Amino acid sequence: DAGVIQSPRHEVTEMGQEVTLRCKPISGHNSLFWYRQTMMRGLELLIYFNNNVPIDDSGMPEDRFSAKMPNASFSTLKIQPSEPRDSAVYFCASSPRTGNTEAFFGQGTRLTVV
Amino acid sequence: GQSLEQPSEVTAVEGAIVQINCTYQTSGFYGLSWYQQHDGGAPTFLSYNGLDGLEETGRFSSFLSRSDSYGYLLLQELQMKDSASYFCAVRGPNQGGKLIFGQGTELSVKP
Repeated sequence: DAGVIQSPRHEVTEMGQEVTLRCKPISGHNSLFWYRQTMMRGLELLIYFNNNVPIDDSGMPEDRFSAKMPNASFSTLKIQPSEPRDSAVYFCASSPRTGNTEAFFGQGTRLTVV
Repeated sequence: GQSLEQPSEVTAVEGAIVQINCTYQTSGFYGLSWYQQHDGGAPTFLSYNGLDGLEETGRFSSFLSRSDSYGYLLLQELQMKDSASYFCAVRGPNQGGKLIFGQGTELSVKP
């Protein structure tokens, strides 16, 4: 397996624009996590899916953020409209099953909002 | 809820031993994990403790005391390439199984 695949790797956008980040988890994994990483706030969990169902989205900062997982092999994180304070590295990770603490991370998307 | 505390930074010299501590609070608990992240890279899984005691994997060991809500990562025979950030993480059933990370400890290995 190629591991968790995220796209794009880098995104530069203007304030107010819509941004969509994409993730393909490892085949067979039933848990998917979206994290945001900044120097100030560390690795923040934004949302967690189990078997394609959103289980906990309490980390989603505002209504501008939304995430979907239409099937077991694809998830998106959308920010609309984007703001400069959204600039961060966004990671997607998947895990084989609910009780497993080993998560496999994608390479991340570095988002810059200017 | 879940929260984890770990030191923000640690410095050590090549060949030395360093211990990175982690204390946690969680209402449910599958185990404590450790992850390594190099600058510009993604976090990668290092170790997992589901039960009390020491787990050893090469130069790295991890310890857990469930009664003390405490664990540590022990790195031996430090090498320059061990300079990275190290995160402890917990996952528990009571909040749907979400995986929460500490703030990370930046380890600098000096010659």
